Amino acid sequence: NAGVTQTPKFQVLKTGQSMTLQCAQDMNHNSMYWYRQDPGMGLRLIYYSASEGTTDKGEVPNGYNVSRLNKREFSLRLESAAPSQTSVYFCASSHMGGAGELFFGEGSRLTVL
Amino acid sequence: AQRVTQPEKLLSVFKGAPVELKCNYSYSGSPELFWYVQYSRQRLQLLLRHISRESIKGFTADLNKGETSFHLKKPFAQEEDSAMYYCALVYPSVVGGYNKLIFGAGTRLAVHP
Repeated sequence: NAGVTQTPKFQVLKTGQSMTLQCAQDMNHNSMYWYRQDPGMGLRLIYYSASEGTTDKGEVPNGYNVSRLNKREFSLRLESAAPSQTSVYFCASSHMGGAGELFFGEGSRLTVL
Repeated sequence: AQRVTQPEKLLSVFKGAPVELKCNYSYSGSPELFWYVQYSRQRLQLLLRHISRESIKGFTADLNKGETSFHLKKPFAQEEDSAMYYCALVYPSVVGGYNKLIFGAGTRLAVHP
């Protein structure tokens, strides 16, 4: 019963490097989300995908791209990492778009030097 | 703009004391509000939603539209209640007819023996 699985759990990058955070869910949910969690700022929505084939910007999309590869998978890409992107990233999914109950992954801690 | 405000970063109480975690929201429509909780080393998970008007683990939250608040309360705190608590608001997206979920900055509750 995996739920939402994120990889990697930890990553250290140098400024300018690129990387992709992977997320997969096995609950047959339609909607998937990427949030970042920063001290004192809570969780901020980066991008979301209401359903397969659609994506939309959240509160803080700059510097990120996403791909909804299929119903199960939703990846987040940093093309040119910056120190300001040091954060903990959470993937989440829900059955209906914004129905309220989101199921979260364990988080991915990213450090950009 | 839609916003969720949790004014306290840290709330520290003794076991058995009453607890109130504050949440105020800014939204012109009819709000859907939730409380999420993150225990140490666990995933973020839904605690309760205002629509269901339920009590979970002794916690309740009442929506006050006049004061635009959704405070989380528990009459007698337990040590196992120590966690990070996030208030969240659902509102319709402009694009696609789906809903977005945004979070407050979170309040850390520390219950001391």
